[in-house]
Amino acid sequence: KAGVTQTPRYLIKTRGQQVTLSCSPISGHRSVSWYQQTPGQGLQFLFEYFSETQRNKGNFPGRFSGRQFSNSRSEMNVSTLELGDSALYLCASSLLTTDYGYTFGSGTRLTVV
Amino acid sequence: KNEVEQSPQNLTAQEGEFITINCSYSVGISALHWLQQHPGGGIVSLFMLSSGKKKHGRLIATINIQEKHSSLHITASHPRDSAVYICAGYSGGGADGLTFGKGTHLIIQP
Repeated sequence: KAGVTQTPRYLIKTRGQQVTLSCSPISGHRSVSWYQQTPGQGLQFLFEYFSETQRNKGNFPGRFSGRQFSNSRSEMNVSTLELGDSALYLCASSLLTTDYGYTFGSGTRLTVV
Repeated sequence: KNEVEQSPQNLTAQEGEFITINCSYSVGISALHWLQQHPGGGIVSLFMLSSGKKKHGRLIATINIQEKHSSLHITASHPRDSAVYICAGYSGGGADGLTFGKGTHLIIQP
């Protein structure tokens, strides 16, 4: 079965621009969560969506937002990009069962110049 | 707030050696994940465990809930095991309940 697909894989943006990243979960998975990974901070939780509703949000500024569509695909948007937003952005999908497991995508590497 | 500490941060070993990576956490969790990340970024979930021990091929993960400690072991290590191994404690409440360790960078030399 197809895994979690993230597009694009690589992105270079200029400071001040905005960016939209996409995540298609495994078929049947209704939960999608987003993470930021940087060399300094490691992996940090951004937000989680379930059935088109944001369930939880991490400690990130309002410039970071997301949404989920009825087919469970999710997008995250970062507005007014800063140099510090350069990171690997990962999404993961889950069935949200008691045997709580995640499947991660390959990530989108964002570079802000 | 749950803190997750991993040790060692970096580990270089020879092919065939037995590898142990440790993970400790500060507050109670309901499950712990071990993840593997290869150069290029993709993350693979190796184990999710809430008690005892799990084995998959040459990988073994153990957890001691009372001692708030988990270990990942690799037997007969191979250069293809070279990767970053990350543990993450799950304390419930959705994906924001995942707190990640900083990772252990493992290099297996032939």
